[in-house]
Amino acid sequence: QKEVEQDPGPLSVPEGAIVSLNCTYSNSAFQYFMWYRQYSRKGPELLMYTYSSGNKEDGRFTAQVDKSSKYISLFIRDSQPSDSATYLCAMSLYNFNKFYFGSGTKLNVKP
Amino acid sequence: GAVVSQHPSWVICKSGTSVKIECRSLDFQATTMFWYRQFPKQSLMLMATSNEGSKATYEQGVEKDKFLINHASLTLSTLTVTSAHPEDSSFYICSAGRTSGGKDEQFFGPGTRLTVL
Repeated sequence: QKEVEQDPGPLSVPEGAIVSLNCTYSNSAFQYFMWYRQYSRKGPELLMYTYSSGNKEDGRFTAQVDKSSKYISLFIRDSQPSDSATYLCAMSLYNFNKFYFGSGTKLNVKP
Repeated sequence: GAVVSQHPSWVICKSGTSVKIECRSLDFQATTMFWYRQFPKQSLMLMATSNEGSKATYEQGVEKDKFLINHASLTLSTLTVTSAHPEDSSFYICSAGRTSGGKDEQFFGPGTRLTVL
């Protein structure tokens, strides 16, 4: 069983839709949860960073962590064509520890 | 702030040659740097973790003698792929860690695409 599971997609939505991206994990000791956005042939860009359970909002992005279910989500409101990218979840036991990445979900927002 | 650069952005080399990739944190000092490899349509796989002035810690299955890592300063780490072969062709990405506002973060470079002929 992989440490982190993520549906690879692709996920195709119309512009303006609410997008829900999810990851599940098996190690209950994970404490730090991140979402990265990666455009084709580019390095990942940090979008959201969450410690432990709860919600965090930043503009059109909301990250949720449910440690009891070992499930994390990223919601994108009013999605834009510029949001089209691959979204990677990542988690770690403690800071500067090894990151465990999901396989990434490819999102396509159609104009 | 928090910009990480990599050089070169892409490189093509012949089988058997060595290739050096540089990773620099441009506007902050990175106590820890990480090197990842990403194959097409796959996620990032951590290769090694390096701290300035000490030996890198390699992940299981990564050959230390093939992938040489030097973390010479708080702003520079290098990865040298020695005796490269076609199966080493991949997208290599570094990240640099810093502490800001009590939070530790990793910032990724733009990646280096290596093609070994």
